[in-house]
Amino acid sequence: QVQLVQSGTEVKTPGSSVKVSCKASGVTFSSLTISWVRQAPGQGLEWMGRIIPIVNIANYAQNFQGRVTITADKSTSTAYMELSSLRYDDTAVFYCAREDSKHYDSGGYYLGSFDIWGQGTIVSVSS
Amino acid sequence: EMVMTQSPATLSVSPGERATLSCRASQSVSTNLAWYQQKPGQAPRLLIYGASTRATAIPARFSGSGSGTEFTLTISSLQSEDLAVYYCQQYNDWPYSFGQGTKLQIK
Repeated sequence: QVQLVQSGTEVKTPGSSVKVSCKASGVTFSSLTISWVRQAPGQGLEWMGRIIPIVNIANYAQNFQGRVTITADKSTSTAYMELSSLRYDDTAVFYCAREDSKHYDSGGYYLGSFDIWGQGTIVSVSS
Repeated sequence: EMVMTQSPATLSVSPGERATLSCRASQSVSTNLAWYQQKPGQAPRLLIYGASTRATAIPARFSGSGSGTEFTLTISSLQSEDLAVYYCQQYNDWPYSFGQGTKLQIK
């Protein structure tokens, strides 16, 4: 059974960076597309970006472009999300999720729903 | 960028009654729409994809309908464990976007 297990809680200071990991099991890692989603306290879900390990291509949401880097290590079946220049309002739970891609959009992106989720990683930004 | 709007923001329903949640897209998304359930303190769970297909192990009381810009999630007979926030998400156009959520309360 497919599982995504994320790294633990992080406490960071403003201006620093955080790197969160997401380890996949029960599936061939290179067949995955992994997305990252942010959820601020009491707020909704915000898509940040994704990685396609088989071609090592990452795509980012405009709101996070330049501040987020998503990578993958095929040897350990682990995806990473690094967010830099942390601000107080980056305090949130960050989730990784597997994409079940089913549809090509007009721009050639292969898109889908998120059928498997990690347990979430709390990142707290505080001085 | 596609904007997804959910209504109502909060819904109170008695156990055993029907709950109807709505999601509207700013442009047509065909049937490339998913619904998620998020219980307090938990990660989201996929309920519905393709606007109307239940995901694995999702009870039959959950159903989805709609196409284009108007979508509905229906819970036919509400159970106490259905207390959660429900989100819609479109995957018709890049980038992905979620609705702001509907909080379902048990009356």
